[in-house]
Amino acid sequence: QKEVEQNSGPLSVPEGAIASLNCTYSDRGSQSFFWYRQYSGKSPELIMSIYSNGDKEDGRFTAQLNKASQYVSLLIRDSQPSDSATYLCASRGSTLGRLYFGRGTQLTVWP
Amino acid sequence: EPEVTQTPSHQVTQMGQEVILRCVPISNHLYFYWYRQILGQKVEFLVSFYNNEISEKSEIFDDQFSVERPDGSNFTLKIRSTKLEDSAMYFCASSEVLRVAGEQYFGPGTRLTVT
Repeated sequence: QKEVEQNSGPLSVPEGAIASLNCTYSDRGSQSFFWYRQYSGKSPELIMSIYSNGDKEDGRFTAQLNKASQYVSLLIRDSQPSDSATYLCASRGSTLGRLYFGRGTQLTVWP
Repeated sequence: EPEVTQTPSHQVTQMGQEVILRCVPISNHLYFYWYRQILGQKVEFLVSFYNNEISEKSEIFDDQFSVERPDGSNFTLKIRSTKLEDSAMYFCASSEVLRVAGEQYFGPGTRLTVT
């Protein structure tokens, strides 16, 4: 079974702080990893993808991948109340294959 | 910016009835997916579709489910005889074949309520 595990939270940070979200995966064959943001009652919205070890930055977001430790993380700098949502981590074993989702981490950014 | 669209946004049906959920993937995407999310649970894969045939399906996607690309723009999910446990949000996603990471973009979803 290809599991993706996330701390369900809730994670609560003040506005302007760095939010750190973590994810582990069980399948060493996983090739690509994705972070989605999901507001309550809405669909997953892609934030970032990463498939090489190391860091990938996009604006206030940084994704980190460590394949040896089977660990993926997402850092959100200068957190805003509008970042309050559930963050879903997903893995994929092959290009264009199915996504395996974690249960998500609920983030609250308070003003 | 191109988006995946889905109709209807909410479908209420009685147990045993057939439902068809519709999706219009992003226009230059060639790989399509259906996922579902039962309230409070994780997003689950149902089926992927490429070149007019199913590429992969999960154990959830049994004989009650079918998918079709009836024309050049629509992608549909049919549930032949709905059960109470089919109540969920159903998301369509699409992917551009040539992207290295093959990011999948999700539509807004159809909330299916089976009574």
